[in-house]
Amino acid sequence: AQKVTQAQTEISVVEKEDVTLDCVYETRDTTYYLFWYKQPPSGELVFLIRRNSFDEQNEISGRYSWNFQKSTSSFNFTITASQVVDSAVYFCALRRSGGYQKVTFGTGTKLQVIP
Amino acid sequence: DTEVTQTPKHLVMGMTNKKSLKCEQHMGHRAMYWYKQKAKKPPELMFVYSYEKLSINESVPSRFSPECPNSSLLNLHLHALQPEDSALYLCASSQGDSKSTDTQYFGPGTRLTVL
Repeated sequence: AQKVTQAQTEISVVEKEDVTLDCVYETRDTTYYLFWYKQPPSGELVFLIRRNSFDEQNEISGRYSWNFQKSTSSFNFTITASQVVDSAVYFCALRRSGGYQKVTFGTGTKLQVIP
Repeated sequence: DTEVTQTPKHLVMGMTNKKSLKCEQHMGHRAMYWYKQKAKKPPELMFVYSYEKLSINESVPSRFSPECPNSSLLNLHLHALQPEDSALYLCASSQGDSKSTDTQYFGPGTRLTVL
């Protein structure tokens, strides 16, 4: 069975602070994919990043960075110098290899950035 | 262009009404999905269509009836819904190729209220 745990239900930070959203996953598969999605109040799930299980290189995209550690089954997401527009619910997700596989979502972390 | 469109944005219906939700994508994706999302919960998979054939039905009640008229369109027909069916309904699409990394891209959703 696959499972994604986002232990932080809600986080509040003041604008310009850095914030890390935690994600821990469980799977018996050797090949799998991890994702982060952002869901602003409007409702649309916005794809942020995909990471393959065999690629542990960390990634940086502007103010966003992701730390993938297979040894601890974690895929954490850091926002540097947070902005009000970052306020949203963030979902970590896990999918098996292969086409149209079911995605297992975590319960989400609601981030509020206070101006 | 990673755009999935959904209509309507909002829908209010009575328990005896029949209505349809529509989803469209022009990315050449061959897999399309319906998800249901209740407030403060992650999305839950309802149906998956692959190459216009229903591939996954997550034991969804028959009052929800999906239809895939062609590779770009996905409908969800609603009939005799219950108030507990009120939720955000999200459509997604992905390449659907078993060799691909198959990222799902989501539409903005339809907020459904059943009175």
